[in-house]
Parts: sequence; structure tokens; C-alpha cells
Amino acid sequence: GENVEQHPSTLSVQEGDSAVIKCTYSDSASNYFPWYKQELGKGPQLIIDIRSNVGEKKDQRIAVTLNKTAKHFSLHITETQPEDSAVYFCAALISGGSYIPTFGRGTSLIVHP
Amino acid sequence: GAVVSQHPSWVICKSGTSVKIECRSLDFQATTMFWYRQFPKKSLMLMATSNEGSKATYEQGVEKDKFLINHASLTLSTLTVTSAHPEDSSFYICSASRTSSYNEQFFGPGTRLTVL
Repeated sequence: GENVEQHPSTLSVQEGDSAVIKCTYSDSASNYFPWYKQELGKGPQLIIDIRSNVGEKKDQRIAVTLNKTAKHFSLHITETQPEDSAVYFCAALISGGSYIPTFGRGTSLIVHP
Repeated sequence: GAVVSQHPSWVICKSGTSVKIECRSLDFQATTMFWYRQFPKKSLMLMATSNEGSKATYEQGVEKDKFLINHASLTLSTLTVTSAHPEDSSFYICSASRTSSYNEQFFGPGTRLTVL
């Protein structure tokens, strides 16, 4: 089955800095990669996703890159703000398959004002 | 669009009682809903996949008689924790996939269960 590794487990940055979270996956058949943000006491919220037919996707301060050959994808947050502080999860799944994503272990991002 | 609600948001119950948690897709139809359990500072653990009109598929190690799942309509799935014990205390989260775009999962806000 699929195995997703996520690093780092904790990331502390100063407001305005950039933050990068990296994930690797093992199943080359995976072709859909969502990222979720989970604030304390709440459910995860989809913030951005990428499919295997593109290498990069951007939405304002958030971007995701995908390297299919190396089987890794990354979340990039620029100009971080304190409200970006949360736990971020990456996931990988096979589009058209069982719909069940494999999640990374999560990264706790702390943005210091 | 794509809003998923859960009720209740938190519940405290006595050991031995049963607790029902509802998951609703408010503005879309969800053929498939998922139930997760999350321990503090841990990732999401999939418990079961709930398909409308059919029996739920449970992940290995999850007791189906303990965690009863019913997905009676395209907008509602319920998880009942039967004869709850303190070790069942956890954060339970559901998610739903739209029938038209089943790759995307939309998560509910979660239900915090505390069993005394």
C-alpha cells in the first residue's frame, strides 16, 4: 500500500518568512495530492491540491509543487502570518480508486509575530 | 459549497452508554463518507468507509460491533459508539466525497468524545 512521509514534524518561523513542508510517497500510481490545514479543535480543511498532470499550483500565498519522478511534493507558504499557525497534513491517493487517502503524520507550523 | 457538519461538536458521557454522532453534507450529495479518529497531536486514523445504502467497510482492527455506522441517505451518515469506555475518548472526524468528484474529501469540524 501507499506510504506517505512528511517532514518536518514541527516548523517554527518568524512572521513574514516562508515555510516549506515536504512529503514523499511510495506508490507511483498515486495521482492526487491534497493538503489540509487543521486548527486546534477543528476538522482539517482542504487548502490546496495538485494532480499528477501538473508540476506546480499556486493560490495566493500558498503553492504546491510535485515531482513525480522523485515521488515527492511540497507545500510552500510565503509571507507567513500568525493565523497560518496550525497543523498541516499532506495526503496521496489514486484518483478513480478507492478514494481513501494516505495521510502524512502532520507538521505543526508555528508563526511567531 | 462543500460544507460538512457534525453533531454534536462535543459530548461527555458515562461509561457503558452509547453515543451517536451525525455527519451531514449540507450542500452536496455524498456517495461516500469516511470516519476518522484522531488522537492528540497525531494524524488521522481511518476507521471505516461508509457507502450510501450499503454496509460500511471497516479498517483492520476497528470493531464493527463497537462502532456502528449507518449511511441512510446521500447527505447523512451516523457513527454510534456503543457501550463507550474511557479508551474510546477521542476526536472523531467525518469527511464526505462528492459523487461528481470523488477524489476530494471535505471534512467535518469533528466531535470531541469524552467518556467518564
